[in-house]
Amino acid sequence: DVKVTQSSRYLVKRTGEKVFLECVQDMDHENMFWYRQDPGLGLRLIYFSYDVKMKEKGDIPEGYSVSREKKERFSLILESASTNQTSMYLCASRDGSPYEQYFGPGTRLTVT
Amino acid sequence: RKEVEQDPGPFNVPEGATVAFNCTYSNSASQSFFWYRQDCRKEPKLLMSVYSSGNEDGRFTAQLNRASQYISLLIRDSKLSDSATYLCVVDPGNTGKLIFGQGTTLQVKP
Repeated sequence: DVKVTQSSRYLVKRTGEKVFLECVQDMDHENMFWYRQDPGLGLRLIYFSYDVKMKEKGDIPEGYSVSREKKERFSLILESASTNQTSMYLCASRDGSPYEQYFGPGTRLTVT
Repeated sequence: RKEVEQDPGPFNVPEGATVAFNCTYSNSASQSFFWYRQDCRKEPKLLMSVYSSGNEDGRFTAQLNRASQYISLLIRDSKLSDSATYLCVVDPGNTGKLIFGQGTTLQVKP
């Protein structure tokens, strides 16, 4: 079974803090993705990575950055957390083919 | 206009009912289509891919209408365990950059 794990299920941070969300997959997948999910807006792609040290912006990259130093690990960084970044963050990975993406359990981040 | 649109529902149906969800997408060049299922407070999981010829998996049938740019999911003989949110998903360029609809909530009642 593919397993995607995320470092925290729940996280509370203060405005202005730098926040790291970690994601690890154990299936040697090349592609990894970060989404956020908000009521009424669905899942939106923040950043993705096709391979180690590669990254591409998704639809809503502002205020975020990512790091992929190893194939199995993809980190999402909030440089200076703001209240509008309060959300559920979901990491996903997939092999090149087929196209199924496997999601981690999510991190519910609250910024106060 | 959203790239992928779904009726958020909720759809409340009795056990054994047949229920259908539709989804429309705006990019006519889209290549890959999926239905994901998301249980309450859980992560999304692939339910089925949607092929041009339509496909069936047990009680679930997915259809694609390229001319009208919509995708459908039919659930027959609904079970209590089918209660979930169903996400319509499009990969416009076969790149893995998925576009998600906001989901349709189904509640199956005894």
